[in-house]
Amino acid sequence: AQTVTQSQPEMSVQEAETVTLSCTYDTSESNYYLFWYKQPPSRQMILVIRQEAYKQQNATENRFSVNFQKAAKSFSLKISDSQLGDTAMYFCAFSGGTSYGKLTFGQGTILTVHP
Amino acid sequence: DTGVSQDPRHKITKRGQNVTFRCDPISEHNRLYWYRQTLGQGPEFLTYFQNEAQLEKSRLLSDRFSAERPKGSFSTLEIQRTEQGDSAMYLCASSSENEKLFFGSGTQLSVL
Repeated sequence: AQTVTQSQPEMSVQEAETVTLSCTYDTSESNYYLFWYKQPPSRQMILVIRQEAYKQQNATENRFSVNFQKAAKSFSLKISDSQLGDTAMYFCAFSGGTSYGKLTFGQGTILTVHP
Repeated sequence: DTGVSQDPRHKITKRGQNVTFRCDPISEHNRLYWYRQTLGQGPEFLTYFQNEAQLEKSRLLSDRFSAERPKGSFSTLEIQRTEQGDSAMYLCASSSENEKLFFGSGTQLSVL
């Protein structure tokens, strides 16, 4: 079974600064996907970024980028130029290659961006 | 395309009653997923459909839970004889095969 661990229950950052959220996972699968989801107070889950395990290049989406360390089973999210709208709960998630939409989520990190 | 729609947004019920939730996925999506999220935790997978076929069910889905997707479009999730431990947010998501999941806003269930 897969496990996903987020060791930071809460983080805070000043507007326009950079913050990194940590995530580790455990799996015996060789083909898998990793995700970061954002859940604002509206409770709707929004995909922030996705990484395929077979790709060595770290995924980036505008101000969001990941540091994927496959051997260490680490998948951190870096948010640059933080904005007030980034305030939300962030979840790291894992999906096996043969069951793409069956996600295993971490416990979440509450991120607060201060003006 | 208005995204994934869930109804109702909130449901309060008494222990022992039956409840049913509905999910309308994005129209061209053939996959539909149900997740459950308790306060302060990440969502947990319950079940998923490809078209009208229910392909996988989590062990979390006890015999009191049943999900259907009769024509491969909308889906319903029914909980019979609700218990206080069933109180949670029930999330629905849809996708095309191996593509990005789009989540609905969820149904918040409170069992008194």
